[in-house]
Amino acid sequence: GQSLEQPSEVTAVEGAIVQINCTYQTSGFYGLSWYQQHDGGAPTFLSYNALDGLEETGRFSSFLSRSDSYGYLLLQELQMKDSASYFCALINTGGFKTIFGAGTRLFVKA
Amino acid sequence: DGGITQSPKYLFRKEGQNVTLSCEQNLNHDAMYWYRQDPGQGLRLIYYSQIVNDFQKGDIAEGYSVSREKKESFPLTVTSAQKNPTAFYLCASSIDGTHNEQFFGPGTRLTVL
Repeated sequence: GQSLEQPSEVTAVEGAIVQINCTYQTSGFYGLSWYQQHDGGAPTFLSYNALDGLEETGRFSSFLSRSDSYGYLLLQELQMKDSASYFCALINTGGFKTIFGAGTRLFVKA
Repeated sequence: DGGITQSPKYLFRKEGQNVTLSCEQNLNHDAMYWYRQDPGQGLRLIYYSQIVNDFQKGDIAEGYSVSREKKESFPLTVTSAQKNPTAFYLCASSIDGTHNEQFFGPGTRLTVL
């Protein structure tokens, strides 16, 4: 089957760096995406990795290793507003179906 | 302004009634999606459409139906056959079915009494 696994919760301090991991099982996919969702809101797109390696977008970076079936989202200089849920997602190549992980809830403390 | 809209934001229905949730986008996107989210959970795919007049079942299609008669519209009907319909429903669109960046609407919170 196809699945993505993420830690359910992560807690970090304001100004710190936090890494949210995502491991996956799939027969083939186009790339790994990351989304942020605040309570009661809609998910918003953060980052996408089609190829192995690191993609940097401001304070956020995302990494993919296809050989390890693993990716992560790195958040630097954490701010209180970064407290939210973060989801990894992929689109499989057989049928173009999108699969989301269960999400990681990030708590940023002062 | 380009975007994706869902209405209403909150919807209440009696058990046994069908209800249709609207989703409209003016982004000229080919692909559209419906997801269900339960409290503290991830997004589960209900239906998706890569092009007008075509759609496929997602992981939890039972008790739901969709249509894609126009590029900009992808309404979802929650039928009485859906055993536990109370949830947060999210519609999304993307340039095409392989494009990983999906744009989400604000969602509709459906409560069945």
